[in-house]
Formats: sequence, structure tokens, C-alpha cells
Amino acid sequence: DIVMTQSPDSLAVSLGERATINCKSSQSVLYSSNNKNYLAWYQQKPGQPPKLLIYWASTRESGVPDRFSGSGSGTDFTLTISSLQAEDVAVYYCQQFYTTSYSFGQGTKLEIK
Amino acid sequence: QVQLVESGGGLVKPGGSLRLSCAASGFTFSDYYMSWVRQAPEKGLQWVSYISTTGNIIYYVDSVKGRFTISRDNAKNSLYLQMNSLSAEDTAVYYCARVGRRDGYNLHAFDIWGQGTMVTVSS
Repeated sequence: DIVMTQSPDSLAVSLGERATINCKSSQSVLYSSNNKNYLAWYQQKPGQPPKLLIYWASTRESGVPDRFSGSGSGTDFTLTISSLQAEDVAVYYCQQFYTTSYSFGQGTKLEIK
Repeated sequence: QVQLVESGGGLVKPGGSLRLSCAASGFTFSDYYMSWVRQAPEKGLQWVSYISTTGNIIYYVDSVKGRFTISRDNAKNSLYLQMNSLSAEDTAVYYCARVGRRDGYNLHAFDIWGQGTMVTVSS
């Protein structure tokens, strides 16, 4: 099974500053036949279900603010929030969709400094 | 609007059974692969099971194989999870989630989630 490891476990960033969350997979999630990384990012606020932010590692879901961006390929991925807003306080998860374990990272808790 | 609504959670004794349901609305349910994802209290997300549009392709996480059964009824726009031999480790909020599609392409991500139903396994 693919193990997804996020870093850091928690992060405190000042309003308006950049936040960066990393995700590493134990094996590549790049599907060679279509050159797509089967890696998604979700945001979960307290008491709410997760919300899809990014799919295929870098494609922003419809309606997601453009301050959210995803990058990376193969085994190393990054979610960046370019200018942190108060409403971005949440736990963020990466997930691989390459193998049928569909495993999630352990989550990164993002707070305001 | 596009919506998933779970039901069927509750308190059950160890070794007991429970059947979760997920009612879909606002989209053509039969066109979408579906999954169950769970979250233990104060813990992260764990994918549980996945079913194809017709039900001919089904996957489970190892920890529930042989105990849980996913199914769907496209005529009723409903997804189900039959859970048997429950233990305390199965205590969690169970979410129903849709595998997204755009322009006929699988997004390989869950784009719609229900609000979840709580399952508590305790004596």
C-alpha cells in the first residue's frame, strides 16, 4: 500500500503570509499513460466534511479561490496558500488515488499566528 | 442541488451489525463511482470502500475485508454499507463520497461529500 506522509503536522502562519504544506508518497502516483498525478488535496474545517481543493496534483476545483495552488509530481507534492485568510484555518489532507488503498496523509493543521 | 445524505449510524455493541445508507440527489447517480470514507474521533481520514457505477468493481481497505459489504441501488439513487462484526476500532463518522467526473474524465478525487453519520461501537 502507498503511505502518504504530510509535513508539518501543524503550521501557524500570519494573515496575508504564505502557507506551504508538503505531501510525500511512498511510491510514485504518476500515471504514465496520461501523465497525470493521481493526488488530491482536501480542506476540512471543524464539524464539516472534507472539501476538494485540488485534483491531479495541480488542477484547482471549481469555486476554489486562486490563492490555493498545488504542485509536484511523482512522489513529492506541495499545497500552497499564497496569502492566508482567516477562513483558511482548517486541517488539510492529501490523498492518492493511484492504488486501491486510496490512502490519505495524516493531515496538517493550519492555524493563524 | 448536488447532495449526499447519510443515515443509519448509531450505537451498537461489539460484534454487532449496522447498515449505513447514503441518498444521492441532484445528479445522475448511476454515472458515478462512489466510496465510503471514515474518520475516528479526533483522527484523520481513512478510505473504507469503493464501488463502480454498476457494482462490478468493488474494493475495501484491508481492515474491513470480510466484515463490510458495499452495494448500491441505482434505481433508488442510494449507496449502502453493511457492517458486521463491529469492534471499537470501527467507531467513526462515516462519510459517503462521490468520485468526481468532468467532461467524461474521472477526477481521481472525491468531489462531493455527505455530512456523515456517526457509528459508535461500545458495550
